[in-house]
Amino acid sequence: GENVEQHPSTLSVQEGDSAVIKCTYSDSASNYFPWYKQELGKRPQLIIDIRSNVGEKKDQRIAVTLNKTAKHFSLHITETQPEDSAVYFCAASSGANSKLTFGKGITLSVRP
Amino acid sequence: NAGVTQTPKFRILKIGQSMTLQCTQDMNHNYMYWYRQDPGMGLKLIYYSVGAGITDKGEVPNGYNVSRSTTEDFPLRLELAAPSQTSVYFCASSYSVEKLFFGSGTQLSVL
Repeated sequence: GENVEQHPSTLSVQEGDSAVIKCTYSDSASNYFPWYKQELGKRPQLIIDIRSNVGEKKDQRIAVTLNKTAKHFSLHITETQPEDSAVYFCAASSGANSKLTFGKGITLSVRP
Repeated sequence: NAGVTQTPKFRILKIGQSMTLQCTQDMNHNYMYWYRQDPGMGLKLIYYSVGAGITDKGEVPNGYNVSRSTTEDFPLRLELAAPSQTSVYFCASSYSVEKLFFGSGTQLSVL
């Protein structure tokens, strides 16, 4: 089955700096890659996603890039703000069985 | 729309007790999921359903059962609760594999 790994497990940045969170996946058949944000004590929420036929997608301060050859994708957050502090989960799906496999999550801390 | 509603929010069980976690959604989604979240371990899929009457095992199904008699409801049953089932449980629903909507979670402790 699919295996999704996230590195690093924690990341601390200064407010205003950029943050990059990386994920790798194992199944070359995977074609859908979402990122979920979970604030402390809250439910996970989708913030951005990408399909395998696209190399990059942007939405205001966040972007996701995909490298199918290397089987990794990254979340980029620019001009970080304290409200960006949260746990970020990446996931992958091959679509055939409608199951998402999640990584273990990365805790991002934005220092004011 | 209420979205995905889970009950209860908190529960303490004694070892060997049973309980049902309730999940209902009002978005007419075909796909529904149960995940458990343990600290530092991400979200692990317990069971999922692609429509009424259809359920399938995820990564960690042992000790749990589900049913899907209607599109709206997807209850998770714990039989003979064990300390290893102490976790936060999230129900989710979606139109397809894209954009899962999560419930607010159930924090379960088995003592």
